[in-house]
Amino acid sequence: GAVVSQHPSWVICKSGTSVKIECRSLDFQATTMFWYRQFPKQSLMLMATSNEGSKATYEQGVEKDKFLINHASLTLSTLTVTSAHPEDSSFYICSARDVDTLSYEQYFGPGTRLTVT
Amino acid sequence: AQRVTQPEKLLSVFKGAPVELKCNYSYSGSPELFWYVQYSRQRLQLLLRHISRESIKGFTADLNKGETSFHLKKPFAQEEDSAMYYCALSKKGGFQKLVFGTGTRLLVSP
Repeated sequence: GAVVSQHPSWVICKSGTSVKIECRSLDFQATTMFWYRQFPKQSLMLMATSNEGSKATYEQGVEKDKFLINHASLTLSTLTVTSAHPEDSSFYICSARDVDTLSYEQYFGPGTRLTVT
Repeated sequence: AQRVTQPEKLLSVFKGAPVELKCNYSYSGSPELFWYVQYSRQRLQLLLRHISRESIKGFTADLNKGETSFHLKKPFAQEEDSAMYYCALSKKGGFQKLVFGTGTRLLVSP
């Protein structure tokens, strides 16, 4: 089956620094990837839709300049949390759709836990 | 606006008992409905979607447009069904974003 990986699986950084999270589709191509944020014991909140070769589409309330998304290839999207603060600590999850199928299924990555100290 | 409501945070049943996880939605157009499951320490994965009208692992879900519901049912729960279940909605067609409910934790006791 389709596999999506994320790197790193967890990261601790100091307040004010930037952190990059990678999302890769390992055995399929994805023109569209999605980035979610999940707080403890809460649901997934869509942050942005990442489109290969074009700008990401951000959800209302998500700061574009703080959460930089780059979808440079059909298998890689990156989320950079700039000038991170403790309130950015969360679980970040990406998902991707296979461009070669008509399936509506999104394949999810295992998530990245970010802790900002 | 699209919204998905899962009224139960936790549903606890005994093995062999019937299970129904509730999901209600609000959407002005024609939606696609999904159930996703997350087992302990595993990633989120698709369980089933309404357009395929299939039964996966004994689970079924019927879209009731009149009641705007998409409840997940299983006649006889198993311990391995214990997991977090999320109902999700998207617009019909194309690569549409998913809107998730808050999730229901199903706990099946022996």
